[in-house]
Amino acid sequence: QKEVEQNSGPLSVPEGAIASLNCTYSDQGSQSFFWYRQYSGKSPELIMFIYSNGDKEDGRFTAQLNKASQYVSLLIRDSQPSDSATYLCALRSGGSYIPTFGRGTSLIVHP
Amino acid sequence: DAGITQSPRYKITETGRQVTLMCHQTWSHSYMFWYRQDLGHGLRLIYYSAAADITDKGEVPDGYVVSRSKTENFPLTLESATRSQTSVYFCASEPGGGQPQHFGDGTRLSIL
Repeated sequence: QKEVEQNSGPLSVPEGAIASLNCTYSDQGSQSFFWYRQYSGKSPELIMFIYSNGDKEDGRFTAQLNKASQYVSLLIRDSQPSDSATYLCALRSGGSYIPTFGRGTSLIVHP
Repeated sequence: DAGITQSPRYKITETGRQVTLMCHQTWSHSYMFWYRQDLGHGLRLIYYSAAADITDKGEVPDGYVVSRSKTENFPLTLESATRSQTSVYFCASEPGGGQPQHFGDGTRLSIL
């Protein structure tokens, strides 16, 4: 059974700091990796996706993928209180269009 | 406006009633999905569809029925609602080819 593990948190960081969110997975065939942000009472919103090992940057967000160690991370630089939300990690195996979601990590950015 | 829309946004009904949640997308995405989200369980896949007239069960399909006669619509029906089906329901779509899913705003369903 495919598993996606995330620390439920909450992860609390001060405003302006770097928030590091981690996700580990069990399926070595995973090929597509996604990070979603979900505000309380709202739907998941895509932040980033990554397919290749290494880093992918988009503004204040950086996704890091290490397939050998089976983890994917999301770094948020210069964290803002508006970044406070639950972050969902999702992945998809090659040949499948059905993603597996983690349960999410709650992030709190305090002023 | 382009995108994926769900209706209604909120629904209260009674046990035993039939209720249908609507999902409509304007992107012509091939793939569509229904999830429920409950505290302690995260997102759980109910049903999914690869194209019109092709549907399949997900992780928690019992008590639900879907249809997809047109690419853009993917309604979810609770044939005889139970209290355990009180949840937030999300519809999602994707074009395929490894592209990410995009979610609708959700329907908050309460069954009394």
